[in-house]
Amino acid sequence: DSGVTQTPKHLITATGQRVTLRCSPRSGDLSVYWYQQSLDQGLQFLIQYYNGEERAKGNILERFSAQQFPDLHSELNLSSLELGDSALYFCASSGDFSTNEKLFFGSGTQLSVL
Amino acid sequence: DQQVKQNSPSLSVQEGRISILNCDYTNSMFDYFLWYKKYPAEGPTFLISISSIKDKNEDGRFTVFLNKSAKHLSLHIVPSQPGDSAVYFCAASVRGAQKLVFGQGTRLTINP
Repeated sequence: DSGVTQTPKHLITATGQRVTLRCSPRSGDLSVYWYQQSLDQGLQFLIQYYNGEERAKGNILERFSAQQFPDLHSELNLSSLELGDSALYFCASSGDFSTNEKLFFGSGTQLSVL
Repeated sequence: DQQVKQNSPSLSVQEGRISILNCDYTNSMFDYFLWYKKYPAEGPTFLISISSIKDKNEDGRFTVFLNKSAKHLSLHIVPSQPGDSAVYFCAASVRGAQKLVFGQGTRLTINP
């Protein structure tokens, strides 16, 4: 158990809809990262938050947004969903990335857009 | 632009033999490299890492080798065990940057 909790584990929705993925980091970790893994693809970095502030942005679509709340949990919002958004979405946390600490991953949310 | 590449989607090795997983990178600014292991229905878990100031790091049955001039790293598992069957991801980062860049993964199967 990595200590990172993601909910829900599975999500099935239709095109055009909006969903919210939730992540609770390990106790004490201030950084939260979101990654997307599509079929046969590696993990693509989406966005990082540190103590409530956005720190880095990767290949995140404009239809996607995220935030980190004062209690450090994070939410990834995906809107106007398309079939191609079907993927496994991982959240990871770390204490302080300035020292290249390893990330701790949750078990992911499997999103299926039908 | 795929900065970290794992060119072998899959690898099959007999139990007890050595497994060698390879990874190439293109960004010469990368100075920290990691291997993650992923079982089905679980998130990736950290396995071993290496800083660019080293060329080898060992942890039990796992050894990572870094060849900076070739921009290549490899993970050696010896002896391979059935529990090692998983997908292995190579990742790299630049000190001070806020993200890890992952390869596509290699599915390792250990045959009894």
